[in-house]
Amino acid sequence: DAGVIQSPRHEVTEMGQEVTLRCKPISGHNSLFWYRQTMMRGLELLIYFNNNVPIDDSGMPEDRFSAKMPNASFSTLKIQPSEPRDSAVYFCASTASGSYEQYFGPGTRLTVT
Amino acid sequence: EDQVTQSPEALRLQEGESSSLNCSYTVSGLRGLFWYRQDPGKGPEFLFTLYSAGEEKEKERLKATLTKKESFLHITAPKPEDSATYLCAVRDLGNQAGTALIFGKGTTLSVSS
Repeated sequence: DAGVIQSPRHEVTEMGQEVTLRCKPISGHNSLFWYRQTMMRGLELLIYFNNNVPIDDSGMPEDRFSAKMPNASFSTLKIQPSEPRDSAVYFCASTASGSYEQYFGPGTRLTVT
Repeated sequence: EDQVTQSPEALRLQEGESSSLNCSYTVSGLRGLFWYRQDPGKGPEFLFTLYSAGEEKEKERLKATLTKKESFLHITAPKPEDSATYLCAVRDLGNQAGTALIFGKGTTLSVSS
């Protein structure tokens, strides 16, 4: 069975550029989560969707970050403009209806120079 | 403020040397405690969910237990392949996003042969 799929796996970009991270949740899962992981702060929730609707975006650092989920099988996290402090590993996770066990993708390692 | 604290930050064991990892939490209303394993360069992998004090779950050499204030992940006769970072997370109905998890920073376990 395919797990959560994220792309790209690695992204290196220059400060000021737009970055788009992509996620395909496990088929049939109805909740999707975006996390950021750094050594200093650990794993932090950025935003989560339930049935394609954003429920809580209080973890989004600032207006430079935006996320969309146009359908049940695809979500994007966009950073515009990117800054060096955005460098981190970004994870996407999904859960099935009625469950709270999150299944994570392999992550996207973002480096902003 | 809700908080999840894991200790120790790092643990080195010899193969076969049993030990325990600790996860203490302060939340307004625990609605599940989750253990994950994370290997370098990969996303967290779900291990266990515990819901009530006194509950225990086992998987191979791992056993998770829960009290009203903390959870322990016991590792019996560990092998080098058990080396990973172990993350603890709680689900708290006191926060607005009832499905979201709050993660600790993890314990990095190294088992040498």
